[in-house]
Amino acid sequence: DAKTTQPTSMDCAEGRAANLPCNHSTISGNEYVYWYRQIHSQGPQYIIHGLKNNETNEMASLIITEDRKSSTLILPHATLRDTAVYYCIGLRNYGGSQGNLIFGKGTKLSVKP
Amino acid sequence: ETGVTQSPTHLIKTRGQQVTLRCSSQSGHNTVSWYQQALGQGPQFIFQYYREEENGRGNFPPRFSGLQFPNYSSELNVNALELDDSALYLCAGGTAEKLFFGSGTQLSVL
Repeated sequence: DAKTTQPTSMDCAEGRAANLPCNHSTISGNEYVYWYRQIHSQGPQYIIHGLKNNETNEMASLIITEDRKSSTLILPHATLRDTAVYYCIGLRNYGGSQGNLIFGKGTKLSVKP
Repeated sequence: ETGVTQSPTHLIKTRGQQVTLRCSSQSGHNTVSWYQQALGQGPQFIFQYYREEENGRGNFPPRFSGLQFPNYSSELNVNALELDDSALYLCAGGTAEKLFFGSGTQLSVL
């Protein structure tokens, strides 16, 4: 699975968009980009995933560059409850192989009033 | 609400003892995975179970073992506890696309 690189920390003003970058230059053609987040004292929470196309759901948008070497997670209107560590993970999506996620240190996002 | 519950929430053990952590998942979660998270680090994959058999393991010694039961519950067993085993232990139920994590068991080894 691809190695990912993320900034250690970021700040965002409440109500503004939070844009979290991730580099995955070694990603292979069959690896998806997954995002999870972990709010303090809780287990990680799935946010979104994608392969080539941009994706959007009720939580966030995922923008993947055409060469797939990097991506950006966008929280359109950040709230204080979005303060968390955000993990970008490269993963081959075979049925039943979802268990072995390789978490790095992630990006600590602080949303400030 | 993830549909994954873990017990107990906190546990204190002594070095050399054995511990069993429990997890209950929900119908539709066809895999169960366990992770160890040390303070300030990301979760580390321990192993995964599918249809009650281990089908993937991270870099953990054999004293870490597990069971998965037909009713979507599972256990993590750790023998001969060491001080470095102190961590948050997370269980996750999985579908083909995503994992649903419980809130974890905080284990302290003294």
